[in-house]
Amino acid sequence: ELKVEQNPLFLSMQEGKNYTIYCNYSTTSDRLYWYRQDPGKSLESLFVLLSNGAVKQEGRLMASLDTKARLSTLHITAAVHDLSATYFCAGEMGAQKLVFGQGTRLTINP
Amino acid sequence: ETGVTQSPTHLIKTRGQQVTLRCSSQSGHNTVSWYQQALGQGPQFIFQYYREEENGRGNFPPRFSGLQFPNYSSELNVNALELDDSALYLCASSLDVSSYNEQFFGPGTRLTVL
Repeated sequence: ELKVEQNPLFLSMQEGKNYTIYCNYSTTSDRLYWYRQDPGKSLESLFVLLSNGAVKQEGRLMASLDTKARLSTLHITAAVHDLSATYFCAGEMGAQKLVFGQGTRLTINP
Repeated sequence: ETGVTQSPTHLIKTRGQQVTLRCSSQSGHNTVSWYQQALGQGPQFIFQYYREEENGRGNFPPRFSGLQFPNYSSELNVNALELDDSALYLCASSLDVSSYNEQFFGPGTRLTVL
């Protein structure tokens, strides 16, 4: 059974700083997903990582995947307030059947 | 804007009642998945429908059931509501389940059970 764990669960950081969110998963997952969720809103797709060593970047966010370590990371560079949200990673237990982590609630303070 | 819509936006029910939530996928999307997201938690997979047939189910009891229609709409039905069913219910659609296709999530329905 696929299990996905994120850490930290809560992260408060200052603008301009860098930080990393970690996502560990327990068994093989074909793909690894990262989503953003604002309060009371739905999920916004950020990245889909398809293979070992995959790295994707969009603005101040960069995601990577190490399938051997069963680890994905979401790195935030020079954080800005607009990035405050909850971030979820998700593995895939079958075609498009996602198993989500608990989420990391990120607060970026001026 | 993902092109996936859900109705209603919010709903309040009492324990023991039944509820139907609706999802309208993008035209041509023959796969729809439903997720339950309790407050402060990650979404949990309920079930998936592919070409109007159930194609996988998560750890949810039979009182959670679904339907998918030829017009790319779908329903999630929950019978005998319990307090713990209070959650945000999300549907996600994609073109096809047999190969990688991006899933598009709807805005969700917030269900409160009193």
